[in-house]
Amino acid sequence: KAGVTQTPRYLIKTRGQQVTLSCSPISGHRSVSWYQQTPGQGLQFLFEYFSETQRNKGNFPGRFSGRQFSNSRSEMNVSTLELGDSALYLCASSPNAGGTDTQYFGPGTRLTVL
Amino acid sequence: GESVGLHLPTLSVQEGDNSIINCAYSNSASDYFIWYKQESGKGPQFIIDIRSNMDKRQGQRVTVLLNKTVKHLSLQIAATQPGDSAVYFCAEKRSGGYNKLIFGAGTRLAVHP
Repeated sequence: KAGVTQTPRYLIKTRGQQVTLSCSPISGHRSVSWYQQTPGQGLQFLFEYFSETQRNKGNFPGRFSGRQFSNSRSEMNVSTLELGDSALYLCASSPNAGGTDTQYFGPGTRLTVL
Repeated sequence: GESVGLHLPTLSVQEGDNSIINCAYSNSASDYFIWYKQESGKGPQFIIDIRSNMDKRQGQRVTVLLNKTVKHLSLQIAATQPGDSAVYFCAEKRSGGYNKLIFGAGTRLAVHP
């Protein structure tokens, strides 16, 4: 099975712009979670989607949003970019929501905000 | 590749030695714990997990120990190899809840020949 894929791998934006990142989960996985990784804050949970519904959201401003499509693919959007949004954005998929299903991570999208 | 964390604690070991990476978790309600390995430029890779009704679980060259009394988790790597060099994260979650993982700060493992 192919792993979790994320596009694009690298992105450079300027302050005030918006960005959309994409994640394709492992085939058959219905839960997709997003995480932000920075050297200062480490790995922090953004949100989780299951069956096209956001089930949980981390402590991030409303500029961060996401959605999930009927094929389980997910996108996250960041509007009005700030310098502090520069980070590695990771997507993880698992077969179901909750429980002890292993979450598998993609390679991430490296976002740089100038 | 990009650095995962610039000021992570580092464990330096000789090739062939055993490595022990420690982690303190925060939430008493967490009942499922996972160790991930992250190499430069890559996403976290699952290593091993353990549920709270266990105190030890073994995999291939790796063992995870859980001490719920002091909320401590450790990862033991036997016969450490250069390919084990990476940043290691522990993560916790509540199995009955959502898929939200709470990650530790990470430990960088450096294996020297």
